[in-house]
Amino acid sequence: QAGLTQPPSVSEGLRQTATLTCTGNSDNVGNQGAAWLQQHQGHPPKLLSYTSNNRPSGISDRISASRSGNTASLTITALQPEDEADYYCAAWDSSLRSVVFGAGTKLTVL
Amino acid sequence: QVQLVQSGGEIKKPGASVKVSCKASGYTFASYSITWVRQAPGQGLEWMGWISTYNGNTRYAQKFQDRVTLTIDTSTGTSYMEVRGLRADDTAVYYCARGVLLVELDLWGQGTLVTVSS
Repeated sequence: QAGLTQPPSVSEGLRQTATLTCTGNSDNVGNQGAAWLQQHQGHPPKLLSYTSNNRPSGISDRISASRSGNTASLTITALQPEDEADYYCAAWDSSLRSVVFGAGTKLTVL
Repeated sequence: QVQLVQSGGEIKKPGASVKVSCKASGYTFASYSITWVRQAPGQGLEWMGWISTYNGNTRYAQKFQDRVTLTIDTSTGTSYMEVRGLRADDTAVYYCARGVLLVELDLWGQGTLVTVSS
């Protein structure tokens, strides 16, 4: 099943800004946007951003999401050691009539 | 406390079935759907399917359509996921999650490791 494309890894320095991308097509990201999830090793995922690009309650304002065409982006500013995790995007695919996930991006904070 | 609590890990032989439970507490069960996602060791997230806690309607990923059944018990606020005909590549952590929309999963269970091995 077709998924969303995410870079396998991104590395940025402490207190710097990281931007993660998620590319789909007009049936998924381009149609209804993408949600973003964070997962630390050994833990369940955590929702960071709704498809509307708004943050759930309790999510740091260092995190913001956006979309341009078929690509969704997650930006994390002032990187902290605890931001080191795997990040997944998810979208509803109207052609597959299924939720599709990206393969995930491992964010390393140097 | 708002939470989803899943049943414990399972070890199954190939060809067997497994049924994992997911009990909701601290919120109105019928206000959020339940989605099931799995994660093979060292791999990413894979969407399995969704069930409406309002009317029991379901939607499955195509690859699971014939082997997975999602159900709910509204009297206990519990969702169940059954996988039949287990194979070694079904070894994974299985998660339940609640959502208002299909992809906006804002509360997750702790995960249940299902190991399939002869």
